[in-house]
Amino acid sequence: QLQLQESGPGLVEPSETLSLTCTVSGGSIRTGSYYWAWIRQPPGKGLEWIGSIFYTERTYYNPSLKSRVAISVDTSKNQFSLELTSVTAADTAVYYCARHVLVGWELFNFDYWGQGTLVTVSS
Amino acid sequence: QSVLTQPPSVSGAPGQRVTISCTGSSSNIGAGYDVHWYRQLPGTAPKLLIFGNTNRPAGVPDRFSGSKSGASASLAISGLQADDEADYYCQSYGSSLSGSVFGTGTKVTVL
Repeated sequence: QLQLQESGPGLVEPSETLSLTCTVSGGSIRTGSYYWAWIRQPPGKGLEWIGSIFYTERTYYNPSLKSRVAISVDTSKNQFSLELTSVTAADTAVYYCARHVLVGWELFNFDYWGQGTLVTVSS
Repeated sequence: QSVLTQPPSVSGAPGQRVTISCTGSSSNIGAGYDVHWYRQLPGTAPKLLIFGNTNRPAGVPDRFSGSKSGASASLAISGLQADDEADYYCQSYGSSLSGSVFGTGTKVTVL
């Protein structure tokens, strides 16, 4: 059974960089059928797709965050990571990692999710 | 900034059927891209409920069904149960984003 687990600091100071890692177990990240994604959810609000990465490091980012986001992959550790720079209180959210199904060339649904980790931006 | 619009809430009595709409545009659902649905219980990660407009993953009961027409889609829950109380989100592909877009979310209440 595939499992995803987010890890990283739960508190980040304003203007600093938020860094999270997702560890994938029960399957390889080096697969041609899936991208690997980050999604966030501010407290009491809806879901927002941040971006997705293929094991070859090809990435797609949400244009609203693209200038501040970088997603990377480490196939040797079966992990992928998120960096979000210049954070503000508006970046406070539960951050989820997920497997993003690829159908043809279309990024499709998210079929496996991590449990999520709350990151608070505050001094 | 969601580009798929859902009603904030729907409610129904146990055993009834409720539907949740998801309205998009010509750059997402209306462009022919598939719609997927998720259920999120309080304090937990979203769980895939419907993929590819109408398909249920293994283990999802047939009380849940999806449909799509034009630039909109719908999720129907029949035989409403108390543990169906949750938030429901639609999701599709947005050509303007070259990525995924989520709906605004709908809270289902069982009366």
